Amino acid sequence: SQKIEQNSEALNIQEGKTATLTCNYTNYSPAYLQWYRQDPGRGPVFLLLIRENEKEKRKERLKVTFDTTLKQSLFHITASQPADSATYLCALDMATGGFKTIFGAGTRLFVKA
Amino acid sequence: DAGITQSPRHKVTETGTPVTLRCHQTENHRYMYWYRQDPGHGLRLIHYSYGVKDTDKGEVSDGYSVSRSKTEDFLLTLESATSSQTSVYFCAISEGGENSPLHFGNGTRLTVT
Repeated sequence: SQKIEQNSEALNIQEGKTATLTCNYTNYSPAYLQWYRQDPGRGPVFLLLIRENEKEKRKERLKVTFDTTLKQSLFHITASQPADSATYLCALDMATGGFKTIFGAGTRLFVKA
Repeated sequence: DAGITQSPRHKVTETGTPVTLRCHQTENHRYMYWYRQDPGHGLRLIHYSYGVKDTDKGEVSDGYSVSRSKTEDFLLTLESATSSQTSVYFCAISEGGENSPLHFGNGTRLTVT
């Protein structure tokens, strides 16, 4: 069956460190992969998109890698801050107009001051 | 925030009653989606629309219907609510096409007693 796996356990890190979140998938061949941030009581907010032919994408303190051989994406937040505490969702898209976006269950990140 | 308004934000209803959730957008985006979010499952697509009066089923469409009579409005109806439909419902929009991220509303928390 098709699956997207994100670490269900919360990630706790100290302020200033780099947070690394993992997204693994099976039985998909995504054209691109997206990361979203979700705060309690709010809808997800789009952060970054990376295409299958891109190895790495950066935006400010965020970095995403995409390894189609390992079927894995890593999401890094450098110099993390307490305000980065949220749930981060990985999503795969088969490039079919957007209506085949499949989401993982998310990983909760806590950044301690 | 993208101009997406969901109403109501909270609703409690009894099993067997009909319920309609509304999503209104001011972005003039072509695509609109309804997702539900449950612990451990991530976001799951219920129905989506690719234009006025053009809709299709998603992964978990049983027990739900949708309508889109105007570009800006997308309605989700539970014809006869069941306890398994207790969830948080999110509306999303996108421009469509490749590399088009989703923009979400802030959700409707529905409890079916």
